[in-house]
Amino acid sequence: EVQLVESGGDLVQPGGSLRLSCVGSGFTFRVFWMNWVRQVPGKGLEWVANISPDGSMKRCVDSLRGRCSVSRDNAGNSLFLDLNTLRAEDTAIYYCLAWGASAYWGQGTRVTVSS
Amino acid sequence: DVVMTQSPLSLPVPLGQPASISCRSSQSLVRGGGGIYLSWLHQRAGQPPRRLINDVSKRDSGVPDRFSGSGSDSNFTLTISRVEAEDVGIYYCMQFTHWPHTFGQGTNLEIK
Repeated sequence: EVQLVESGGDLVQPGGSLRLSCVGSGFTFRVFWMNWVRQVPGKGLEWVANISPDGSMKRCVDSLRGRCSVSRDNAGNSLFLDLNTLRAEDTAIYYCLAWGASAYWGQGTRVTVSS
Repeated sequence: DVVMTQSPLSLPVPLGQPASISCRSSQSLVRGGGGIYLSWLHQRAGQPPRRLINDVSKRDSGVPDRFSGSGSDSNFTLTISRVEAEDVGIYYCMQFTHWPHTFGQGTNLEIK
């Protein structure tokens, strides 16, 4: 069974930092582009970041430029998203997504930025 | 950023009837080499999205054949030949030809 399990979401104060993690199983993690997508509850979807299968290509959207870093550990089937200087508008559910010939989504981890 | 515009945003459909959702992009989605990277997703309440269609018209594994995708350049359509109860939810088009990848606003399909 394919699974992507995110963790690390939390309530943080504005200006704080978080590391989100995602562990995959049941598929060949190392051949997939891995991605983070976020969704404000009840609202639309926003692509946050992606990283190539070997980790050599990575990028974050402009709204998170300088505050976002994406990385992966293929040996551990893991994907990470480091967010810093968090703002209220970063409040969302963050989904881990494996994208290729097939597409697999995690259930999401909730990040709330509030004082 | 490429803006993806869906219509309609609300789609009430009687069971067994066809449904169609349009998606237009603000730029051509044709990449050098001819590939067009347009997908359709379906999201039920309280669940993550699920990809239905990839590369304009390729159905993902397990997706019923009542779903089909078509289009080219900057105009795309998702068609459901006969709507079933399990099809309710929000449908998104998504492009990954250009960075950042972007989504349409979503179309809420409900049973009429």
